[in-house]
This record gives sequence, C-alpha cells and structure tokens, in this order.
Amino acid sequence: DSGVTQTPKHLITATGQRVTLRCSPRSGDLSVYWYQQSLDQGLQFLIQYYNGEERAKGNILERFSAQQFPDLHSELNLSSLELGDSALYFCASSAYDRGRVDTQYFGPGTRLTVL
Amino acid sequence: LAKTTQPISMDSYEGQEVNITCSHNNIATNDYITWYQQFPSQGPRFIIQGYKTKVTNEVASLFIPADRKSSTLSLPRVSLSDTAVYYCLVGLSLYSSASKIIFGSGTRLSIRP
Repeated sequence: DSGVTQTPKHLITATGQRVTLRCSPRSGDLSVYWYQQSLDQGLQFLIQYYNGEERAKGNILERFSAQQFPDLHSELNLSSLELGDSALYFCASSAYDRGRVDTQYFGPGTRLTVL
Repeated sequence: LAKTTQPISMDSYEGQEVNITCSHNNIATNDYITWYQQFPSQGPRFIIQGYKTKVTNEVASLFIPADRKSSTLSLPRVSLSDTAVYYCLVGLSLYSSASKIIFGSGTRLSIRP
C-alpha cells in the first residue's frame, strides 16, 4: 500500500459526459501528479500540482482540468468524454522537498470506461 | 529530454538472477535513475533509485557505471510474482520538470516455473 488513495476505483460513463476523479496523497506529500495509461500503453504524464499550484503540464487535453485543494487532495476533471478517453488514470504523490529526490508513489488508479 | 531505451521483453526462470539494462545516453547531471514495477491494472510501485555506482535494497540492486549513460536493475532469485513490467526513468530530480518524465514502454518480464 503506497498510501495514495484514489476514488472511484471504476467508472463507466457515456460519451459527452463529464467525470471527476479524486486523489488523496500520502500524508505529508505536497505534490500530486496525474497520469493516463491506455490499454497496453505506457504512462502518459498529464499534470503536476504542488501545494495547490500547477507545477508542470504534460500531454493534457484542453477538455481535462485538475486542481489541488488546501487539504492537498486533488481532482482530475474530464469533460466531453470520448471513447478514446477510456483508460486507467493514476495519481502519484511526492514530498517534493528542496534537497530531496522527487520519488513518486502511485495510487491504485481509476479505470474509466467511456461507452 | 531524458529518453530511455529498454528491452521490450525478457524471460527467465524461478530462482535465477535477472538483469534489466536501460540506456539513457543524454542523462543530465542532476538526473537520478529510478525503476518502477507495474502489475496489470495496478499503479507502478517504486523499486529502487540511484545516482551513481551501486545501490542495494531489500528488493533489488541498481548498478550505474561511471558515465551514467546506462543502468542495470538486478533482481536476485526471481519468483513467479516478479512477472511484471519494469520501467526505467531518468529525471525525477528537483531540477527537472515533471513534464519531461517519460515512462516509455518498459520491459515486460516473464518468469517461468
């Protein structure tokens, strides 16, 4: 158990809909990352937040957005869903303290199925 | 951009030592090398991390030559439960933007009885 929690575990929805995925980082971690993993694909980095602020952006679509709240949990919002958005979405957290290496710890993921 | 190259797949047998090599020719001075293990439908699990020479923990060893252009993950006496995909990452330092992290396709390790 990495200490990172994600809800829901599974999500089934229809095209055009909007969903919200939630992530709670490990206790004490200030940084949250979101990744997308399609079937038999590697992990694609989407976005990173650090202490409430966006830190880095990867291959995140404009239909997707994220935020990190004062209690450090994060939400990934996916809108106007398409069939191709079906994937596993992982959240990772790290301490991201100055002077330390940024080791990421991953949650169990949310499997999104768009029908 | 710290790109890594790993074998797509490897096969071995229970009880053997498995070495997976990753090449990262354009590794930056501040970059660390990190290995993750991923089982199907699960999040990647941190295995080991190093900067140079050799690092060992209860799970694996990581060998990094002086030029740091490659690294080798060594799994001693593998078991069936070590069947997974192994990712080599370069970066993850405070000086590298997360936007440059690339997991790649990883190495699919299959262990046979």
